[in-house]
Amino acid sequence: EVQLVESGGGLVQPGGSLRLSCAASGFTFSSYWMSWVRQAPGKGLEWVANIKQDGSEKYYVDSVKGRFTISRDNAKNSLYLQMNSLRAEDTAVYYCARNDHDYGDYWGQGTLVTVSS
Amino acid sequence: AIRMTQSPSSLSASTGDRVTITCRASQGISSYLAWYQQKPGKAPKLLIYAASTLQSGVPSRFSGSGSGTDFTLTISCLQSEDFATYYCQQYYSYPPTFGQGTKLEIK
Repeated sequence: EVQLVESGGGLVQPGGSLRLSCAASGFTFSSYWMSWVRQAPGKGLEWVANIKQDGSEKYYVDSVKGRFTISRDNAKNSLYLQMNSLRAEDTAVYYCARNDHDYGDYWGQGTLVTVSS
Repeated sequence: AIRMTQSPSSLSASTGDRVTITCRASQGISSYLAWYQQKPGKAPKLLIYAASTLQSGVPSRFSGSGSGTDFTLTISCLQSEDFATYYCQQYYSYPPTFGQGTKLEIK
């Protein structure tokens, strides 16, 4: 059974940093692109970033470029999102998702990031 | 970025009804379209990809159609568990973008 479990969310002040993790199991992690998608409270879905199987290609939505970094450790079956210079508008539930042709076929339960003073 | 526009934004229907949700892309996306269902407090669930291919395990009352710029998600014979919010997503070009969602409520 495919499982994706996010962790690392919490309350952080504007300008602060946070690192999200996603632990994957039930599939060959190193064979899939992976993504982070977020959802602000009461709002719709927004794709944030994705990463190729070997980490050699990464893509970001414009609003997080230069502030967020996606990475992975295939030996640990883990996906990460390093978030720096956080803003109030980054407040959201962050989901990791396994990709199949750039859509998410399996999603984690999400982790809430709140940016507030 | 390609803009995805769903209509309606909300919809009231009864169990047993047939409903259709429309998704329009701001430019042609071939058939690179996915549909998701999301229930409150839960992660999105993939229903359909490639505009019309049903994801494994999804009931056959869900169907998708369209190509280019205009797409539809149809649910025939609504069940109680189908009341949720539905999103379309294009994956034709970066960044992947979602529609604003259609909330399907019980009449």
